[in-house]
Order: sequence, then structure tokens, then C-alpha cells
Amino acid sequence: EAQVTQNPRYLITVTGKKLTVTCSQNMNHEYMSWYRQDPGLGLRQIYYSMNVEVTDKGDVPEGYKVSRKEKRNFPLILESPSPNQTSLYFCASSTDRVLYEQYFGPGTRLTVT
Amino acid sequence: GENVEQHPSTLSVQEGDSAVIKCTYSDSASNYFPWYKQELGKRPQLIIDIRSNVGEKKDQRIAVTLNKTAKHFSLHITETQPEDSAVYFCAAVRSQGNLIFGKGTKLSVKP
Repeated sequence: EAQVTQNPRYLITVTGKKLTVTCSQNMNHEYMSWYRQDPGLGLRQIYYSMNVEVTDKGDVPEGYKVSRKEKRNFPLILESPSPNQTSLYFCASSTDRVLYEQYFGPGTRLTVT
Repeated sequence: GENVEQHPSTLSVQEGDSAVIKCTYSDSASNYFPWYKQELGKRPQLIIDIRSNVGEKKDQRIAVTLNKTAKHFSLHITETQPEDSAVYFCAAVRSQGNLIFGKGTKLSVKP
């Protein structure tokens, strides 16, 4: 089954404790991205990747890191989480370029206390 | 900077009525405009998209229109049903090749 998976789905952590949210797709998609969703603000892009070893900042990259060592995986790293990073996070992928359907993962609900 | 404005933020209609959601964009180079539907507690899913070489596209009860001169595009849902209740997001492709989303419209269809 073609899908985008994210882990964990829910996470409660404390300020400053490094964490990684994994994202994996099995559709051989070149394009992957991370979004955060906050009430009233819609979907805001954090980072995106056009291909392996190619990553670019989106609209809200501060406090986040990503890596793209393999085509299928695109982990999101929070080196020192803060309460303002409490949010719902979505990973997405698409074939070739962004000019095609974005397949979203199920989301990760992160709470930083 | 580049942005996408979406209106209204909330929309309530009676079952069977039509619903229209409008978006404007600022990047004149944008050439792809998708619409995503997000049901409560679920992930966003593409429902329809339009490219800049056409002015209108229809898929059953859903249609999207694009006016490149005015830089706006709209989602039209006819004969609304309770299962159309969701948050709808418009988006546009930026010149650097990534998507920017509107802030969303919460549509409520009352039986």
C-alpha cells in the first residue's frame, strides 16, 4: 500500500530535550516536505527537499533541522524544543516536483512543556 | 513576501446549497493551484487542482476557476452534503518550486 508514515503520532516532551520525528514514504517520491499546522494559521512549511542531499528552508525553519540521506526518509529534528513548537506536524511527499498531488502522513501531535 | 489569502475563514451553508471559497495569490509566476480537504482529525487530501493554462476545471460537484489576470482562484461546491463539512485549504506554487497554503476555510453543512 502506497503511504507516508510518521512516528511517533503523539509526543509530550519537555523544553530542551532533543527529539526526532521520522517520516518515510514507499512511493519513490523525490519531493518531501514538513509542515506545521496551528489554529488559524493553516499549513506552514518548515523545510522541503527536492531530492537526496538537497534541502531548503520553508517559511518557518527556525528551531528545526532536517536531513535527506535516503530517498524514502526525511526526519525532522528539534535540537532544543521550546513550548512555541507545540503543534501538529505533517510530512508530505510527491512525485518529481511539487506540481503534483502532495501525499500527507497521518500527522504528529507534539506538546512541549 | 509571497502569500495566499483565503476567504472566508468560516462558512456555514444549508445542505443542498452551494459553497464558494476564494483565494488570491501574489506571485505572478505561480502556475499550479491545488485545493486540499481536511476532515476533523485527519490528514489533508487533494480534492482538485488547476494549472495556469486552463480557466476552469470540474469534477462532479466540485469546480475550480482561475483568473490569472486578477490573480485569484475559487473553489465551488454545489449541492453540498454533510460529508462536505471540513477545512479546505487552497495553495499556490512559488517561483522557487514549493507550495504556500492559505489559512483555511472551515465549512459546515447543516442538514
